[in-house]
Amino acid sequence: AQSVAQPEDQVNVAEGNPLTVKCTYSVSGNPYLFWYVQYPNRGLQFLLKYITGDNLVKGSYGFEAEFNKSQTSFHLKKPSALVSDSALYFCAVRDDNQFYFGTGTSLTVIP
Amino acid sequence: DTGVSQNPRHKITKRGQNVTFRCDPISEHNRLYWYRQTLGQGPEFLTYFQNEAQLEKSRLLSDRFSAERPKGSFSTLEIQRTEQGDSAMYLCASSPEVVATQYFGPGTRLTVL
Repeated sequence: AQSVAQPEDQVNVAEGNPLTVKCTYSVSGNPYLFWYVQYPNRGLQFLLKYITGDNLVKGSYGFEAEFNKSQTSFHLKKPSALVSDSALYFCAVRDDNQFYFGTGTSLTVIP
Repeated sequence: DTGVSQNPRHKITKRGQNVTFRCDPISEHNRLYWYRQTLGQGPEFLTYFQNEAQLEKSRLLSDRFSAERPKGSFSTLEIQRTEQGDSAMYLCASSPEVVATQYFGPGTRLTVL
């Protein structure tokens, strides 16, 4: 079975602090992993992806994610959070020709 | 703007009516995806086209749902005999190749009364 889990519905972090949004996955083959962000009344925007290669992937807006095969995780991170990072974040995994999205994590950065 | 566009942005209909949504992908993207998103959930895959061929359909896609991409460019998603449970945001995305990034449109919000 293919799936992706985001164990936290809500993450709160103070501005300037590091942030982590967690994602774990389960696929039958090699994982192709993605992070998207969704702002209110806006479409999903691509942040970064892991296909192969270096386990640490750098993406848009200073975000990065670390692929950990042994823990089947792909956590999203940022060293210093901004208030403007407050949004809904989705992890996704591609398996065969289908994409599976997590239920999303609402990130609130507190000024 | 050369992004993915979707029309209409909002649709309110009565139960039992048919509705049709349109998606215009980024030009030269040969892959096009339809998703459904309900409040508090991530997007759920519905169907996928490579050019004009519909290659995958989710089990979520009942017989009342049909999608086409007749010329390998824009796509339409039709829902027949709408039900209140069909109320959701319908998202379209396109990508240039299988493992490439999907670019999403703004979505069509359907409300079935």
